[in-house]
Amino acid sequence: DVKVTQSSRYLVKRTGEKVFLECVQDMDHENMFWYRQDPGLGLRLIYFSYDVKMKEKGDIPEGYSVSREKKERFSLILESASTNQTSMYLCASSRNQGYGETQYFGPGTRLLVL
Amino acid sequence: AQSVSQHNHHVILSEAASLELGCNYSYGGTVNLFWYVQYPGQHLQLLLKYFSGDPLVKGIKGFEAEFIKSKFSFNLRKPSVQWSDTAEYFCAVISGNTGKLIFGQGTTLQVKP
Repeated sequence: DVKVTQSSRYLVKRTGEKVFLECVQDMDHENMFWYRQDPGLGLRLIYFSYDVKMKEKGDIPEGYSVSREKKERFSLILESASTNQTSMYLCASSRNQGYGETQYFGPGTRLLVL
Repeated sequence: AQSVSQHNHHVILSEAASLELGCNYSYGGTVNLFWYVQYPGQHLQLLLKYFSGDPLVKGIKGFEAEFIKSKFSFNLRKPSVQWSDTAEYFCAVISGNTGKLIFGQGTTLQVKP
């Protein structure tokens, strides 16, 4: 089974802090994704990566950056956390860039920014 | 831009009732369609998917969905729901050849025992 893990289930940070969310997958997937999930809005794509050191902006990249130094690890960075970044963050991975590959999700990190 | 619309935001059913959750997408070309489910406290997981072939696809736990190209729809159905089906359900479509999933807003299903 594919396993996608995220470093924290719950996180509380203060406005202005730098926040790192880590995601690791164990299935040698090429693609990795970061989403945020908000009630009534579904999941929205923040950033994604097709390969090591490659990144592409999703639909809502403002205020975020990412890092992919190793194939299995994809980090989401909030350079200066703000209260409107309070949300559930989901990481996902999938095989190659094939059309329609199933994405596998991690358990999520619920971030509260005070 | 491609979009996905789920008509029902919150559905309440009694056990054994039939379920149909609506999903419409805006893209006119070839599409790959998914339904994901998120049970309380658990991670998002795949319920079923449509890539090609038979437009009626069957997924886990007795769920099925029908792809109707002329209506741009991919509705989720289950003949008889159980209390354990209480969850949030998301319809999603792959955007072009980028592998980017576009999600609907989600539907919260509450099944009363």
